[in-house]
Amino acid sequence: KNEVEQSPQNLTAQEGEFITINCSYSVGISALHWLQQHPGGGIVSLFMLSSGKKKHGRLIATINIQEKHSSLHITASHPRDSAVYICAAPPPYGGSQGNLIFGKGTKLSVKP
Amino acid sequence: DSGVTQTPKHLITATGQRVTLRCSPRSGDLSVYWYQQSLDQGLQFLIQYYNGEERAKGNILERFSAQQFPDLHSELNLSSLELGDSALYFCASSAAGDSYNEQFFGPGTRLTVL
Repeated sequence: KNEVEQSPQNLTAQEGEFITINCSYSVGISALHWLQQHPGGGIVSLFMLSSGKKKHGRLIATINIQEKHSSLHITASHPRDSAVYICAAPPPYGGSQGNLIFGKGTKLSVKP
Repeated sequence: DSGVTQTPKHLITATGQRVTLRCSPRSGDLSVYWYQQSLDQGLQFLIQYYNGEERAKGNILERFSAQQFPDLHSELNLSSLELGDSALYFCASSAAGDSYNEQFFGPGTRLTVL
């Protein structure tokens, strides 16, 4: 079974700060997903990555497959970034399946 | 808007009852996933369908069942409901059925069992 752990569990930042959320997993995987859950409950897929780094606007995701670690960075944070950020990985046998195991999430609050 | 639709948005029912949650995937997506999010358990995978066939099964109770129809929409049936079944139920879809595909989530159905 793959365990997916995130840190920190809660994060409060001031507007403009650089934010890092970490995700580690216990078993080797082929891909990792980062999701954002808004206060209203809706979930948005931010990234799916299997190597290296991806960037979308102020969001950057990196993954190190060998070290079983991924990070999500937010540059120039803004109050609208306040949400729960969740990383998710497929089970170790599950390359041909799409089901995901989720971390418990990091609740981010960005103060103006 | 992800393109994935779920109905109903809210559902309030009593213990012992049966309900059906409906999901329509994004146009062109063949795979549908059902997830449950409760306060104490976080997001958990229930079941995946790909082009009408069951692809993967997670922590889905025997009281729950699902299917994907020829038009690719999916239904999740929950029966003999218990208080602990109260949760947010999300449907997601992806183009293919493997872990390399981005998943697009619907808005969720909030189920309250009284």
